[in-house]
Amino acid sequence: AQTVTQSQPEMSVQEAETVTLSCTYDTSENNYYLFWYKQPPSRQMILVIRQEAYKQQNATENRFSVNFQKAAKSFSLKISDSQLGDTAMYFCAFMKTGSGGSNYKLTFGKGTLLTVNP
Amino acid sequence: SQTIHQWPATLVQPVGSPLSLECTVEGTSNPNLYWYRQAAGRGLQLLFYSVGIGQISSEVPQNLSASRPQDRQFILSSKKLLLSDSGFYLCAWGGWTGSYGYTFGSGTRLTVV
Repeated sequence: AQTVTQSQPEMSVQEAETVTLSCTYDTSENNYYLFWYKQPPSRQMILVIRQEAYKQQNATENRFSVNFQKAAKSFSLKISDSQLGDTAMYFCAFMKTGSGGSNYKLTFGKGTLLTVNP
Repeated sequence: SQTIHQWPATLVQPVGSPLSLECTVEGTSNPNLYWYRQAAGRGLQLLFYSVGIGQISSEVPQNLSASRPQDRQFILSSKKLLLSDSGFYLCAWGGWTGSYGYTFGSGTRLTVV
């Protein structure tokens, strides 16, 4: 079974600064995806970024980028130029893919509450 | 693109009462559907998933059950609610649309009193 660990329950950052959220995972699978989801106070789950494990290049989406270290099983999220609207709970998640089926189940970490201060 | 409709948004129910939460999906056929629960201060836990009509897999033993009477409908139920059933329930679609991903509903906040 897969596990996802987010070791930072809470973090804070000043507006316009950069912050990095940590995530480690444990799996024996070779084919998988990793995700970061954002959950603002509305509690809607919003996809921030995804990484395919077979791709060595780190994914980027505007101000959001990841540092994917497959051998170390680490998947951190960097938020640049933090904005007040980035205040939310952030979840790291793992999905097994490939033949044999995972049925696309997501395994989530416990989340990191990020507060962006003005 | 896929859209998940989930209702009600908020529900307060007494202990021992029944529960029915409904989820429907648009924009796809034969979807994989999921029910997740988020307890206070914790991450999301997968409760049930379904890969087709009448096909339900349970991930954790509990007081809840799920059903899929139609291709795009997924229902979470309980005959008698417990206090420990309180939480935030999310329905989701998962699969391939050029890349693997999920679409979540807006969630139901259930408080059992």
